[in-house]
Amino acid sequence: ETGVTQTPRHLVMGMTNKKSLKCEQHLGHNAMYWYKQSAKKPLELMFVYNFKEQTENNSVPSRFSPECPNSSHLFLHLHTLQPEDSALYLCASSQDKTSGTDTQYFGPGTRLTVL
Amino acid sequence: DAKTTQPPSMDCAEGRAANLPCNHSTISGNEYVYWYRQIHSQGPQYIIHGLKNNETNEMASLIITEDRKSSTLILPHATLRDTAVYYCILHAGNNRKLIWGLGTSLAVNP
Repeated sequence: ETGVTQTPRHLVMGMTNKKSLKCEQHLGHNAMYWYKQSAKKPLELMFVYNFKEQTENNSVPSRFSPECPNSSHLFLHLHTLQPEDSALYLCASSQDKTSGTDTQYFGPGTRLTVL
Repeated sequence: DAKTTQPPSMDCAEGRAANLPCNHSTISGNEYVYWYRQIHSQGPQYIIHGLKNNETNEMASLIITEDRKSSTLILPHATLRDTAVYYCILHAGNNRKLIWGLGTSLAVNP
């Protein structure tokens, strides 16, 4: 248990559906992250939020839409996805320290399958 | 591309020490060496990190060479539950981007 929870853990959706992934952190952190992990590929950073403001968008297609209403919650809204978007979606959080180093803590992930 | 190089796979007997190597010859002065592991289809779990000195916690020990160009993660008494993919990552404090490689798949055998 890392203090970062994600729901749902598994999601199957059609290409025309709209769904949302939710992440919540109970660590008092200020930065939150979305990562994508496709089969046999390294983790790819998608988005970073710092104090609710988006600070990184790693050239992610617009069919993925993040939302960060406060420092504890992060959403990833999905619409008109493609089968190649099937992957494990991971949320992480960190304190966002400005000196030293800043450890990221991960949730369990949402396994997404797009049919 | 990842700035670290790790062997793709390793085996270890249960109860023995597992020594996982990592090369990072282009490490910068402000970059820490981080280790995470990922058990099948779960989120990565933080293990340990260090800058120059060797570090130890309840999970593992981290040995960093004096020139900082390589490091070794040591699991002193590996158990079956330590079977996972282990990632060695460099992280500078002012950079929120972690660059992940494919890690080392460690199999602990009975």
